[in-house]
Amino acid sequence: AQSVAQPEDQVNVAEGNPLTVKCTYSVSGNPYLFWYVQYPNRGLQFLLKYITGDNLVKGSYGFEAEFNKSQTSFHLKKPSALVSDSALYFCAVRDSQKAAGNKLTFGGGTRVLVKP
Amino acid sequence: ETGVTQTPRHLVMGMTNKKSLKCEQHLGHNAMYWYKQSAKKPLELMFVYSLEERVENNSVPSRFSPECPNSSHLFLHLHTLQPEDSALYLCASSQGGGRGGSSAQYFGPGTRLLVL
Repeated sequence: AQSVAQPEDQVNVAEGNPLTVKCTYSVSGNPYLFWYVQYPNRGLQFLLKYITGDNLVKGSYGFEAEFNKSQTSFHLKKPSALVSDSALYFCAVRDSQKAAGNKLTFGGGTRVLVKP
Repeated sequence: ETGVTQTPRHLVMGMTNKKSLKCEQHLGHNAMYWYKQSAKKPLELMFVYSLEERVENNSVPSRFSPECPNSSHLFLHLHTLQPEDSALYLCASSQGGGRGGSSAQYFGPGTRLLVL
């Protein structure tokens, strides 16, 4: 079985400060990991993914995420947060083993509030 | 965001009504998905279609009936719904079929459904 945990329901950060949104996962095989962002009354927008290779992945809007296999984590980061980054962020995982099918398991989401 | 479109954006229906949600993807993908997003619950995968064949059905009640006439269109037919079915219904698509793969899923804006 695969699972994702986002331990923080909400993260508050001042504009210009670094932003980190935490994610840990559990899969049987090697993970494919994804981050999505959801703005109010909108669908989920893909930010970035880790498949293989370099542990530091860069994505849209200045976001990046670091894959840490030993800690089974894939935390999302942004060096300098903007007020417009305020949204709901979802981490997701899929087991790379084909037998696992295409089920993408999402975390419960973390609401980010960036204050001016 | 125009890669995956959903109509209607909002829907109010009574428990005895029959309605359909429509999703269309313009990305050339060959897999499509229905998700349910309820308040304070993780995103729930409902159905997966790969190459127009249903490959996953996550124990969804029969009052939800999906239809995928071709790789670009996906419908969710609704009948005799319950108030607890009120939620945001999200459609997504991806490349690489519905059986594993590293492709990200791309989401539509969702249909906000209210069942009275």
